[in-house]
Amino acid sequence: EDKVVQSPLSLVVHEGDTVTLNCSYEVTNFRSLLWYKQEKKAPTFLFMLTSSGIEKKSGRLSSILDKKELFSILNITATQTGDSAVYLCAVEIQGAQKLVFGQGTRLTINP
Amino acid sequence: EAQVTQNPRYLITVTGKKLTVTCSQNMNHEYMSWYRQDPGLGLRQIYYSMNVEVTDKGDVPEGYKVSRKEKRNFPLILESPSPNQTSLYFCASRLNSYNEQFFGPGTRLTVL
Repeated sequence: EDKVVQSPLSLVVHEGDTVTLNCSYEVTNFRSLLWYKQEKKAPTFLFMLTSSGIEKKSGRLSSILDKKELFSILNITATQTGDSAVYLCAVEIQGAQKLVFGQGTRLTINP
Repeated sequence: EAQVTQNPRYLITVTGKKLTVTCSQNMNHEYMSWYRQDPGLGLRQIYYSMNVEVTDKGDVPEGYKVSRKEKRNFPLILESPSPNQTSLYFCASRLNSYNEQFFGPGTRLTVL
């Protein structure tokens, strides 16, 4: 059974801290890994990762994939209260439009 | 504006009363999907479609039907809703498997 597991499930930090969110997976036929941010509405796309070891960056957010160890991390530096959200990791299965999501990490940034 | 729209956004209904949640995208995307989101379970794929008249089951298809008669529309049909289908539903579309997926605003369904 295809599985995506995120950790921690919940994280509370102070503004300015750096956080690392984890996503590990076990799937039959990996194609890509995606990160989304979900505030009180629909998920919004952050990154798509297909190759090991290549970091993707967008402002204070960055992510990297390790296809050998089957995990990805999402880093957020100098966190702001606007970063408070649920962060979702999903893995796309090769050959299908199937996306398997993790449970999400609820990140709370306190001022 | 490029977007995915869903209707209704909120719906309260009773067990057994057939309902349809519509989904439409204006980006000429090939791929469309339906998900449900439940606390502690994350997003789970119900059905997906890779093109007109091509649909396939996701992880939780029981109790749902879909159709893809035109590229832009992908309605979700609950023939006989039950309380365990109370959930937040998202429609999503993407141009192809190399591009990001866009989500609709969500439909919060309550089945009494």
